[in-house]
Amino acid sequence: EDQVTQSPEALRLQEGESSSLNCSYTVSGLRGLFWYRQDPGKGPEFLFTLYSAGEEKEKERLKATLTKKESFLHITAPKPEDSATYLCAAGGQNFVFGPGTRLSVLP
Amino acid sequence: DTGVSQDPRHKITKRGQNVTFRCDPISEHNRLYWYRQTLGQGPEFLTYFQNEAQLEKSRLLSDRFSAERPKGSFSTLEIQRTEQGDSAMYLCASVETGELFFGEGSRLTVL
Repeated sequence: EDQVTQSPEALRLQEGESSSLNCSYTVSGLRGLFWYRQDPGKGPEFLFTLYSAGEEKEKERLKATLTKKESFLHITAPKPEDSATYLCAAGGQNFVFGPGTRLSVLP
Repeated sequence: DTGVSQDPRHKITKRGQNVTFRCDPISEHNRLYWYRQTLGQGPEFLTYFQNEAQLEKSRLLSDRFSAERPKGSFSTLEIQRTEQGDSAMYLCASVETGELFFGEGSRLTVL
């Protein structure tokens, strides 16, 4: 059965304190690994797609990387406006989402 | 606005009533997905359409749930005889070739 897990469940950082979020997946026939940001009461907002191991994508303070079993979302020098839930999803036969990591960045 | 739109954004209903949600996808996207999300969880797959054909349904989609996409355009998700456990955010997303693009969701509260 396709499965996606994320860790940690919640993360609290001070502004400027860099860290990484983990996404582990077991999906047959992976067609892409997707990262989303979700603000409370809103739909998920697309961030990145990664297609093959070794691929990296960057956007502002965020960088996503992919291996054969995991993906990482690195957050460099975060700001309070980066506070959100970060979801990853594995696209195989379908799109399977992890439970998310709730990130809080304190000023 | 050319994004995915959902209506209504919020719905409060009493247990046993029927509710219907509508989703208008991005116009050139031929695949449309419905997900359900409860507090603190990631989105859970419900069903998806390729044009007007419903190609897959999750076991989460009990016989009280029905989804349609007439003419391959907008889609509706109906829940009959709502139960308190149906309270959740119902998310619609569309895709052409790669990533899902989500609407803002329809939040259902069943009293």
